Amino acid sequence: EMELLESGGGSVQPGGSLRLSCSASGFTFRNYAISWVRQAPGKGLEWVSGVSGRGDHTYYADSVKGRFTVSRDNSKNTVYLEMSSLRGDDTAVYYCAKDTSADSGAYFDSWGQGALVTVSS
Amino acid sequence: SYVLTQPPSVSVAPGKTARLSCGGDNIGLKSVHWYQQKPGQAPVLVMYYDRDRPSGIPERFSGSNSENTATLTINRVEAGDEADYFCQVWDSSSGYRGVFGGGTKLTVL
Repeated sequence: EMELLESGGGSVQPGGSLRLSCSASGFTFRNYAISWVRQAPGKGLEWVSGVSGRGDHTYYADSVKGRFTVSRDNSKNTVYLEMSSLRGDDTAVYYCAKDTSADSGAYFDSWGQGALVTVSS
Repeated sequence: SYVLTQPPSVSVAPGKTARLSCGGDNIGLKSVHWYQQKPGQAPVLVMYYDRDRPSGIPERFSGSNSENTATLTINRVEAGDEADYFCQVWDSSSGYRGVFGGGTKLTVL
């Protein structure tokens, strides 16, 4: 059974940094792209970033470009989202989601349970 | 950037049919995927590539996509279908980005 587990969430002050991790199991990790999708409290889903299975292609939403960096370590079956210059509107539950293609562009067939990031002074 | 428009809410009586729309410019030329999210839970895929159902999703769920509107149809609606539903596409017009609609809250009366 496919499983994704986020970790690293927490509270941080505006301007601060945080790194989320997404650990995967139950599938051949290197064969699939992974995206990060966030959901602000009471709001809808927002795609944030994606990384290809080999880690050679990365994609970002305009709202986070230049502040967030996505990467992966296929030897550890883990994807990372490095977040810096955090702002209040980055407050959200962050989900990692498995794409069904090697590079982003298909659909998400498995999601983690989410990690809450709160940006507040 | 590409925009997907969903009605904020749809209400339907049990046993009736719910039609959830997702509007976008020439969305019929894109592949649309749908996710169901219940309170406090992660999203779950309920339809992919416009009209394909994942295993475990009831046949009551169906999808279509044409011109400027994609539709998720739920026949014989049950109380357990009450949830938020989000449509999703990929946009390659300026870079490559995922795009979600704002979501529709389905209420079963």
